[in-house]
Amino acid sequence: GAVVSQHPSWVICKSGTSVKIECRSLDFQATTMFWYRQFPKQSLMLMATSNEGSKATYEQGVEKDKFLINHASLTLSTLTVTSAHPEDSSFYICSAVTGGDGYTFGSGTRLTVV
Amino acid sequence: GENVEQHPSTLSVQEGDSAVIKCTYSDSASNYFPWYKQELGKGPQLIIDIRSNVGEKKDQRIAVTLNKTAKHFSLHITETQPEDSAVYFCADNAGGTSYGKLTFGQGTILTVHP
Repeated sequence: GAVVSQHPSWVICKSGTSVKIECRSLDFQATTMFWYRQFPKQSLMLMATSNEGSKATYEQGVEKDKFLINHASLTLSTLTVTSAHPEDSSFYICSAVTGGDGYTFGSGTRLTVV
Repeated sequence: GENVEQHPSTLSVQEGDSAVIKCTYSDSASNYFPWYKQELGKGPQLIIDIRSNVGEKKDQRIAVTLNKTAKHFSLHITETQPEDSAVYFCADNAGGTSYGKLTFGQGTILTVHP
């Protein structure tokens, strides 16, 4: 089946630095990628939707200048958390549309900002 | 916006018993209803889904039922096993857009006791 490879699986960074999270579709072309954030013991909250070659659409309340999304190719989408602060610590998950199979999720990235 | 309510928030059963999780949705245009299983520190995995033109779907020990009139759908797991223990999320595609964004329920922590 379709696989989305997400890296890194976990990252610790200092407050004020930036972190990039990558999601790659390994055996299909992901024209659309969704980015979610999940706080402990909570549900997945959609942050933004990205389509290859165009600007991402952000959900209400999500700062587009802080969470930079790039979807420059059909197999790679990236989320960069800029000037990270402790409140940005969370579990970030990407999800790609895989046509007949629906949606495939990445394995998630645990971000801890210290 | 779309609202998906999921109940119960926690469910504890004995091995071999059945487990039922229920979700209600608000957008009558929704036409795709997936269920995901999420293990600790991992991304969600699709376990079963149903589309609005079907009332019930079954895959071995797992089944999903959909009542469009009442706007609710349920996950049924029979002959539960300890490895079924995880967090389960329901979701729908508010607006009915094919491969559009999903709205998730709050999640159910299922614990199966040996």
